[in-house]
Amino acid sequence: SQTIHQWPATLVQPVGSPLSLECTVEGTSNPNLYWYRQAAGRGLQLLFYSVGIGQISSEVPQNLSASRPQDRQFILSSKKLLLSDSGFYLCAWSGTGYQPQHFGDGTRLSIL
Amino acid sequence: GNSVTQMEGPVTLSEEAFLTINCTYTATGYPSLFWYVQYPGEGLQLLLKATKADDKGSNKGFEATYRKETTSFHLEKGSVQVSDSAVYFCALSEQGAQKLVFGQGTRLTINP
Repeated sequence: SQTIHQWPATLVQPVGSPLSLECTVEGTSNPNLYWYRQAAGRGLQLLFYSVGIGQISSEVPQNLSASRPQDRQFILSSKKLLLSDSGFYLCAWSGTGYQPQHFGDGTRLSIL
Repeated sequence: GNSVTQMEGPVTLSEEAFLTINCTYTATGYPSLFWYVQYPGEGLQLLLKATKADDKGSNKGFEATYRKETTSFHLEKGSVQVSDSAVYFCALSEQGAQKLVFGQGTRLTINP
């Protein structure tokens, strides 16, 4: 069966520090991969998605970037974090067609 | 563009009450429709889905019917439990599209 792993679960970082969140999927090939952010008490905002290695689509201009160095690995990065980057970050994967997205357990990021 | 509108929360009910969370959508084609549930501190889990008009998705006592004529996908449960307390998200995926469009989420609290 397919599984998705995100880490770390919780992260506290100072303003201006770099960021790297990692997401990996097991048990499937060539998944679509997604990064979402959920601000406190709000819905989900799609940040990036990828349909293949090295293919990244950005939904919202911001302080973050994403990379897909391997088929089942998706990384969310920042060179310099802002206070507004705080939130709950969720990685997800899907197959093609009508298959739904499956989410990881999320990373809670607090910026001090 | 595509959009999903959910009833505003928070919703508070007593145990064993009947639940309805309204969801309506706007889409140019024939989307698939989903309900996701997010328990406190966790990622999103797929609760149920429907891929064509008049389909009924069901899981864990929850049901939702794809109503093309009213562009709706309301979530219902006949008798809620305290363990159903969570945030519920309605979402759609257009045919051939790689992305989900989420509603803003509805927070449900069930009191014993």
